[in-house]
Amino acid sequence: QVTLRESGPALVKPTQTLTLTCTFSGFSLSTSGMCVSWIRQPPGKALEWLARIDWDDDKYYSTSLKTRLTISKDTSKNQVVLTMTNMDPVDTATYYCARYMVRGAKFDYWGQGTLVTVSS
Amino acid sequence: QSALTQPASVSGSPGQSITISCTGTSSDVGGYNYVSWYQQHPGKAPKLMIYDVSKRPSGVSNRFSGSKSGNTASLTISGLQAEDEADYYCSSYTSSSTEVFGGGTKLTVL
Repeated sequence: QVTLRESGPALVKPTQTLTLTCTFSGFSLSTSGMCVSWIRQPPGKALEWLARIDWDDDKYYSTSLKTRLTISKDTSKNQVVLTMTNMDPVDTATYYCARYMVRGAKFDYWGQGTLVTVSS
Repeated sequence: QSALTQPASVSGSPGQSITISCTGTSSDVGGYNYVSWYQQHPGKAPKLMIYDVSKRPSGVSNRFSGSKSGNTASLTISGLQAEDEADYYCSSYTSSSTEVFGGGTKLTVL
């Protein structure tokens, strides 16, 4: 049974750095074809893809946010961490992590999401 | 990478069929058969409904089907039911090895 769960602060101040952790079970991020992505959704708005880390440690970032994002993994802990620097109120959103399968290019399992509010 | 273009809203009566379009470019939708569709009910995480343009994951009703022509993919829902009312998002693999989502479509079952 595959599960993912996001954790991190619910509130951050402008200019601070956000660190989110995705803890997963039911699969290994060292298995070929397995990846984990981060996706966010501002209140009432659309999904936005942020970043992905692959089983072989390749990393990919949204072009528009690339300078602010860092994704990493700890395979032994079954965790993926996303950091986003210089947070702004427009970054207020629900942040999801999802398993991405290279075969099928699909987000087949999602966490429940964590709402992050950026406010002073 | 610009978001894929979806209609903001569609509607249909129970039992009818509706189609949601998703338009991209030759660098995403048109360049790969890696389009997927997600259903999202209010306050819930998205759920995978279609992948590889037209494949259904186990457990997804065969009332949901997908297709693609050129730079435009489509999701068709036949035999509309009340529980189909939700937001729908398309997603495509891109030439940068990233993913891009559509702007989302709100489906209303009348």
